[in-house]
Amino acid sequence: GENVEQHPSTLSVQEGDSAVIKCTYSDSASNYFPWYKQELGKGPQLIIDIRSNVGEKKDQRIAVTLNKTAKHFSLHITETQPEDSAVYFCAGKGDGGSTLGRLYFGRGTQLTVWP
Amino acid sequence: GAGVSQSPSNKVTEKGKDVELRCDPISGHTALYWYRQSLGQGLEFLIYFQGNSAPDKSGLPSDRFSAERTGGSVSTLTIQRTQQEDSAVYLCASSLKGGYTFGSGTRLTVV
Repeated sequence: GENVEQHPSTLSVQEGDSAVIKCTYSDSASNYFPWYKQELGKGPQLIIDIRSNVGEKKDQRIAVTLNKTAKHFSLHITETQPEDSAVYFCAGKGDGGSTLGRLYFGRGTQLTVWP
Repeated sequence: GAGVSQSPSNKVTEKGKDVELRCDPISGHTALYWYRQSLGQGLEFLIYFQGNSAPDKSGLPSDRFSAERTGGSVSTLTIQRTQQEDSAVYLCASSLKGGYTFGSGTRLTVV
């Protein structure tokens, strides 16, 4: 199966600054990489995803980049706001890159944005 | 419904009792997943159902844990003879292709 590693485990930034969370994966056949945001007391919510046929995807203040050669992908949040404070999980779809199969999650990053 | 529904939202049980946790996935989603999240921890995979295929049970921590999915829809996770270390939030998710949609979870407390 896939092995996804995520860094850092905690990240504190000042409001308005950028935040970057990085993940690496082991299965070169993996082709789908979503990011989830989990607020306190809630289930994780999908915020952005990227497939292996593109290198970058943006949605307003968030963006994800993918480097297939190096097998790593990153989440970028610009102009951070206090409501961005949450735990963020990256994931990769392993199982040989099948459209089936399950996601393998990183261990999460606790992002705190200070006003 | 519009999302993944889990019940109960909270469950307190005595050590040694059996519990059943329910998940109603999004209609039409062929895949259903159970994860466990201990306080402040990551997502621990438990079991995965895909269509009519045999489930992937590789994440179940012991034979006290079992799950079934009836009619390709509702799923029940059963924990027999609960132990204090079973205390956690149990999350269910469903998907058709790609990303998951998670429910809000069941917070299980074993006293």
